[in-house]
Amino acid sequence: EVQLVESGGGLVQPGGSLRLSCAASGFTFSNYAMSWVRQAPGKGLEWVSAISGSGGATSYADSVKGQFTISRDNSKNTLYLQMNSLRAEDTAVYYCAKEPNSGWKIFDYWGQGTLVTVSS
Amino acid sequence: QVVLTQSPSASAFLGASVKLTCTLSSGHSNYAIAWHQQQPEKGPRYLMNLNNDGSHRKGDGIPDRFSGSSSGAERYLTISSLQSEDEADYYCQTWDTGIRVFGGGTKLTVL
Repeated sequence: EVQLVESGGGLVQPGGSLRLSCAASGFTFSNYAMSWVRQAPGKGLEWVSAISGSGGATSYADSVKGQFTISRDNSKNTLYLQMNSLRAEDTAVYYCAKEPNSGWKIFDYWGQGTLVTVSS
Repeated sequence: QVVLTQSPSASAFLGASVKLTCTLSSGHSNYAIAWHQQQPEKGPRYLMNLNNDGSHRKGDGIPDRFSGSSSGAERYLTISSLQSEDEADYYCQTWDTGIRVFGGGTKLTVL
């Protein structure tokens, strides 16, 4: 059974940093691209960043480019999101999501999310 | 860059059917998409992928009541025999060069 478990969320002051983690199990982690998706309170889903299975290719939404860094440790089956210079508008639930190994850049499994609150 | 447009809300009666629409922006009518469901206070759940020819493949454990279809730039999600647990937000999603894109979501109310 595929499981994705996010952690690392919490309350952080504006300008601060936070690193999110997503522990994956139930599939061969290194074979699959992964993404982070966020959802601000009362809003829709927003894709944040993606990384290839090997970690060699990454992409970012314009809204976080230069501010967030996605990475992965395939030996630990873990996905990360380093978030710097956080702003109030980064407040959201952050989900990690798995992409299928078919060339389709969609999300076939989701985690339960971790809440990030940026506030003084 | 591709844009997905969804109606903000829809409603239908318990036991009835409803058809939700996701419209692809001009020049992107051949794009495939995925449908995701988000029940209140829960994380999203993958429902299915959907090709421009209407062929689709559902995710693990998705009931037969959920189906997809396509016509031109429109992608549809049909839910038949509506149940109370189908009351949720429904998002379509696709991708373009290097990026993934979501529609704004449709909030489905089961009357």
